[in-house]
Amino acid sequence: AQSVTQPDIHITVSEGASLELRCNYSYGATPYLFWYVQSPGQGLQLLLKYFSGDTLVQGIKGFEAEFKRSQSSFNLRKPSVHWSDAAEYFCAVGPSLSGNTPLVFGKGTRLSVIA
Amino acid sequence: DAGVTQSPTHLIKTRGQQVTLRCSPKSGHDTVSWYQQALGQGPQFIFQYYEEEERQRGNFPDRFSGHQFPNYSSELNVNALLLGDSALYLCASSLLQLLHDTQYFGPGTRLTVL
Repeated sequence: AQSVTQPDIHITVSEGASLELRCNYSYGATPYLFWYVQSPGQGLQLLLKYFSGDTLVQGIKGFEAEFKRSQSSFNLRKPSVHWSDAAEYFCAVGPSLSGNTPLVFGKGTRLSVIA
Repeated sequence: DAGVTQSPTHLIKTRGQQVTLRCSPKSGHDTVSWYQQALGQGPQFIFQYYEEEERQRGNFPDRFSGHQFPNYSSELNVNALLLGDSALYLCASSLLQLLHDTQYFGPGTRLTVL
């Protein structure tokens, strides 16, 4: 069965510093991968997604993620973090050609941003 | 263009009661999926509805049931509530026939069972 691991429960970075959130997946075929962000008390907002092609994917709010098949990873990065990026970040895998199949989520990484 | 909407925002129930949560999909979408997000966890898939039928189901008991209406809106019903049903319930909508479509999430309904 497919699974997603986000090794870091909580990360704190200084405003302006770079960020990398880790995501490892377990799935037998080509995965369809997503990063979502959740602000306190809010639903999930899609940051970016990977289906095929270029392994470096650009998303909203200056985020990018790189798919590395050899490492089964899909890490999220941002070169310079803003205080408004403080939120919970979820990596998810979709196990089928269609994005409509159920998503399997990691447990999330909470990002805190300090001045 | 309205996104996914859910009602109510918050709900408090007692053990043994029944609850109904509602979801209106994003305009143009025909598929609705429901997820349960317990505190400190990622969302877990409950079920998905398309053409008023349950299309897929996750590992949830029969106490969890749903419905989809002709206008694509959906309801999630939970019977015989348990304390462990306390969670944020998220609705996501998408367009089934669109390859690589994305699921768009609503703000969720926070259910507290006392």
